[in-house]
Amino acid sequence: AQTVTQSQPEMSVQEAETVTLSCTYDTSENNYYLFWYKQPPSRQMILVIRQEAYKQQNATENRFSVNFQKAAKSFSLKISDSQLGDTAMYFCAFAYSNSGYALNFGKGTSLLVTP
Amino acid sequence: SQTIHQWPATLVQPVGSPLSLECTVEGTSNPNLYWYRQAAGRGLQLLFYSVGIGQISSEVPQNLSASRPQDRQFILSSKKLLLSDSGFYLCAWSASVEQYFGPGTRLTVT
Repeated sequence: AQTVTQSQPEMSVQEAETVTLSCTYDTSENNYYLFWYKQPPSRQMILVIRQEAYKQQNATENRFSVNFQKAAKSFSLKISDSQLGDTAMYFCAFAYSNSGYALNFGKGTSLLVTP
Repeated sequence: SQTIHQWPATLVQPVGSPLSLECTVEGTSNPNLYWYRQAAGRGLQLLFYSVGIGQISSEVPQNLSASRPQDRQFILSSKKLLLSDSGFYLCAWSASVEQYFGPGTRLTVT
């Protein structure tokens, strides 16, 4: 069974600072994808960043970057220069082709960005 | 461009009543379709996914069912709702790997 664990239920960071959200996963698959999704108070799910397991290079999208450690099965999200609009629930998720790329989510981390 | 619709946005139903939630996608063909449920204060749980018409995979045995009568239509149903069915239901589609979510339906079972 594939599992995704987010060990930080809540975090806070001051505006303009950097914060790192942790995620670990467990799988026997070799080819898979990892994602971070953001859910603001509107509850709309928004894709933040994705990482292919076969790629060694860590993905980056503007202020968002990941630290992907395949052997350790770790996939953390770093948010630089935090903005008030980054306040949201952040979900780590895993997917692989044999399940139609259905997402297996962690329980989420609630991030609060303060002025 | 692609658009995903879900309705209704909000629903309050008594225990034991039937349920039908609809999801449609525009602007793409043969998408993968997914239903997820988010209970209060919890993450998203995959309920069903479909890689084509008539192909439905169920991840969690429960009193819910799904159907895909048309290529871009995905319906979530129940014959008799339970209190535990309350939650936020999200439909999503994908063309390959990345999924795009609809606005969701908030279901309250009373």
